[in-house]
Amino acid sequence: EIVLTQSPGTLSLSPGERATLSCRASQSISSSYLAWYRQRPGQAPRLLIFGASSRATGIPDRFSGSGSGTDFTLTISRLEPEDFAVYYCQQYGNSFSWTFGQGTKVEI
Amino acid sequence: QVQLQESGPGLVKPSETLSLTCTVSGGSVSSGSFYWSWIRQPPGKGLEWIGYIYYSGYSNYSPSLKSRVTISVDTSKDQFSLRLNSVTAADTALYYCARHKRGNNPFEIWGQGTMVTVSS
Repeated sequence: EIVLTQSPGTLSLSPGERATLSCRASQSISSSYLAWYRQRPGQAPRLLIFGASSRATGIPDRFSGSGSGTDFTLTISRLEPEDFAVYYCQQYGNSFSWTFGQGTKVEI
Repeated sequence: QVQLQESGPGLVKPSETLSLTCTVSGGSVSSGSFYWSWIRQPPGKGLEWIGYIYYSGYSNYSPSLKSRVTISVDTSKDQFSLRLNSVTAADTALYYCARHKRGNNPFEIWGQGTMVTVSS
């Protein structure tokens, strides 16, 4: 099973600032099958990024993803109020065991 | 627009079986293009994929839960269901159903989730 480790656990920033979130895999993720989700309090996760760097439908361009192999990054260029939430990475390269990271909380 | 809605008992006793149903609206569970998954989230914790089913009945489960999980599909009702047996307090969680494209693809549509507490 591929273990995903996200850092930092909590990121304290202000609206308008840039956020950089990391996701590291215990083994290489094939074909960059890595996604990012945002989960606001009391809501289901929402897909932001897939294929490591492609934005999902309706996702604004302040969200960008990068990386390959075992190291991946989600960048939010300018934080909006709705971006203060928990972010999860997920690998879907092994269809017998999809896994999530433990999450990074972005707080004001 | 496709929507998913979970339903089922909010309280289950230890050692009993947890049963949940996900109803698909605005689309069909019989679409050959998608897998249908269950995912859970213990209070204050992260996400855990439980398993998925295809409209044909083919299913695949997380190795850590495989011995206790069954996912089934009812194409006539556009529903798919989760059964988790021999539950303990560790199975207390918010349970989500989700849709993803067939093959290696992320979870693109989620239900709102339903909370299940395991307690006597």
